[in-house]
Amino acid sequence: NAGVTQTPKFQVLKTGQSMTLQCAQDMNHEYMSWYRQDPGMGLRLIHYSVGAGITDQGEVPNGYNVSRSTTEDFPLRLLSAAPSQTSVYFCASSIQPPSGGATQYFGPGTRLTVL
Amino acid sequence: AQTVTQSQPEMSVQEAETVTLSCTYDTSESDYYLFWYKQPPSRQMILVIRQEAYKQQNATENRFSVNFQKAAKSFSLKISDSQLGDAAMYFCAYRSALETSGSRLTFGEGTQLTVNP
Repeated sequence: NAGVTQTPKFQVLKTGQSMTLQCAQDMNHEYMSWYRQDPGMGLRLIHYSVGAGITDQGEVPNGYNVSRSTTEDFPLRLLSAAPSQTSVYFCASSIQPPSGGATQYFGPGTRLTVL
Repeated sequence: AQTVTQSQPEMSVQEAETVTLSCTYDTSESDYYLFWYKQPPSRQMILVIRQEAYKQQNATENRFSVNFQKAAKSFSLKISDSQLGDAAMYFCAYRSALETSGSRLTFGEGTQLTVNP
């Protein structure tokens, strides 16, 4: 298994540009999430999905959209990039519902810079 | 909403010594899970140890152990016989056992651990 994969690893955007961060997992996990990591703030949840066709907002959803058309893929879209969205983005997945206490597996991260 | 606090932005330890990283959390729930994740310079998040809130026994994983104090809402990580490879950012994380939480993790701010040879 490749686990959780993310592309690209690095990206530089200009303010106002749009782009999609890709996330895929080959473990047949139902639960997938997107986090952003900023210095001194830990990881904050952007959006999450409990299964194909179902998504919901996390702590910091503004400026981001997600969709979950398949179990494997959970792309994150930046509609109009802003410098405040400069961050490292992590995708994560887990197999069981929260009551099962399953471990979340993280992708390698995408470092995004918005000029 | 749950919050997780790590009050030590940086810690250092001598190789082979023991170090304890602190974590406190706030929740009104009785059933939840707590985790420590390690993030080395490669940025990959690696699970170190987990604790179920309903278990009184502290979790142990080789050189890593926790001191879980449910009433005090404290969850510290002890690293024994520290090794150079333990140097990393460590994150404490909380996860509700409720189905509606969507498996989300709430993270602390992180503690940067330096291991001195």
